[in-house]
Amino acid sequence: ETGVTQSPTHLIKTRGQQVTLRCSSQSGHNTVSWYQQALGQGPQFIFQYYREEENGRGNFPPRFSGLQFPNYSSELNVNALELDDSALYLCASSLGPGQYYGYTFGSGTRLTVV
Amino acid sequence: DQQVKQNSPSLSVQEGRISILNCDYTNSMFDYFLWYKKYPAEGPTFLISISSIKDKNEDGRFTVFLNKSAKHLSLHIVPSQPGDSAVYFCAASASTGGSQGNLIFGKGTKLSVKP
Repeated sequence: ETGVTQSPTHLIKTRGQQVTLRCSSQSGHNTVSWYQQALGQGPQFIFQYYREEENGRGNFPPRFSGLQFPNYSSELNVNALELDDSALYLCASSLGPGQYYGYTFGSGTRLTVV
Repeated sequence: DQQVKQNSPSLSVQEGRISILNCDYTNSMFDYFLWYKKYPAEGPTFLISISSIKDKNEDGRFTVFLNKSAKHLSLHIVPSQPGDSAVYFCAASASTGGSQGNLIFGKGTKLSVKP
């Protein structure tokens, strides 16, 4: 049973650029949630995808968008990058929405915006 | 405005003793609480949870206590082991009135267990 894989592990982008982060969910999981963890903070909910549809969204602007594919993998896209977008981005997959105890987190993508 | 607060950024405990990690929340709609453990360069892993209909849940060395009137929960680790050294996050959710999958996390407490 494979876990959650995120790519890339690290990247550096310039302010104003766009970035795409990828997440492969654990086998059998149909729900993916994305979180942003700024330095010294806890993870903050961005949005969740369930069966290829957005199933909930946190307090993030529309320049944060996502996709989920038929194989349940997911992408997080961020447009017009700002310095404050520098953070660890975590993806978590689960058997369904609300299955918090069954969340499997990836190791994250460390994004640095300069 | 932080809805989940972990007021101790760090905690140091001797091996074999009890570790007590605390968490306070402000939103009375929260009805499910979880603790996650995070090692460096890894994602958080689920540790233990508790529903608001209970006041205690045990799993081996880990026990979570919930005091709804005080809006406070705590994680007890007995006995503490060096491998428990990690950052512990408290998280909460509401089954109504919020979006699905929306776990609210605290800032974490870094636990160091010294041999």
